Amino acid sequence: DIQMTQSPSSVSASVGDRVTITCRASQDVNSYVAWYQQKPGKAPKLLIYGASRLQSGVPSRFSGRRSGTDFTLSISSLQPEDFATYFCQQADTFPFTFGQGTNLEI
Amino acid sequence: QAQLVESGGGVVQPGRSLRLSCEASGFTFNTYGMHWVRQTPGKGLEWVAVITYDGSHEIYGDSVKGRFTISRDNSKNMLYLQMSSLRADDSAVYYCAKDTYESGSYPGGFDYWGQGTLVTVSS
Repeated sequence: DIQMTQSPSSVSASVGDRVTITCRASQDVNSYVAWYQQKPGKAPKLLIYGASRLQSGVPSRFSGRRSGTDFTLSISSLQPEDFATYFCQQADTFPFTFGQGTNLEI
Repeated sequence: QAQLVESGGGVVQPGRSLRLSCEASGFTFNTYGMHWVRQTPGKGLEWVAVITYDGSHEIYGDSVKGRFTISRDNSKNMLYLQMSSLRADDSAVYYCAKDTYESGSYPGGFDYWGQGTLVTVSS
């Protein structure tokens, strides 16, 4: 199975900060990586797919990038509603696999 | 607006069976692949299974292969997960999720998820 190693596991930040979360795939997954946001008691919400494609309705402060097998999610200017847990997922090869999650807290 | 609503979770003894259901609405169900994903506090998100838009193909994660069966009824806009020989480590919140793109034409992740249904396997 393809491992998605996500870092950091948690990060503290303030409103207005820029934050970057990284996932490293254990092998080539092309650009088939998605990023999700999850709030407590809720289902994950798709933010980015295809490594850098912004899902409809998601604010433009969210962006994704690929560099080889490294994938990053950036939030350019944190808003209060952005404090949540973020997951990456590879959708290249079954079984699809997720990163361990990053808890973004104040 | 697409909507997915799971049901069927509950407490079940080890070795027993349980069937989860997912009712879909707000989109053309029979043109999208559908997935089950589960989540536990300890293991995070784990992809469980996928079924193609027409029900012709299924793929399973290793931990459930041979014990779980994914199916769909496109006439009723329903997705199912039949779980048998349940083990304690199957305890999780189970989500159904929809492919972002029709007919699996592009692996764009899952754009809609249900609210989840809790399965607890315990004696």
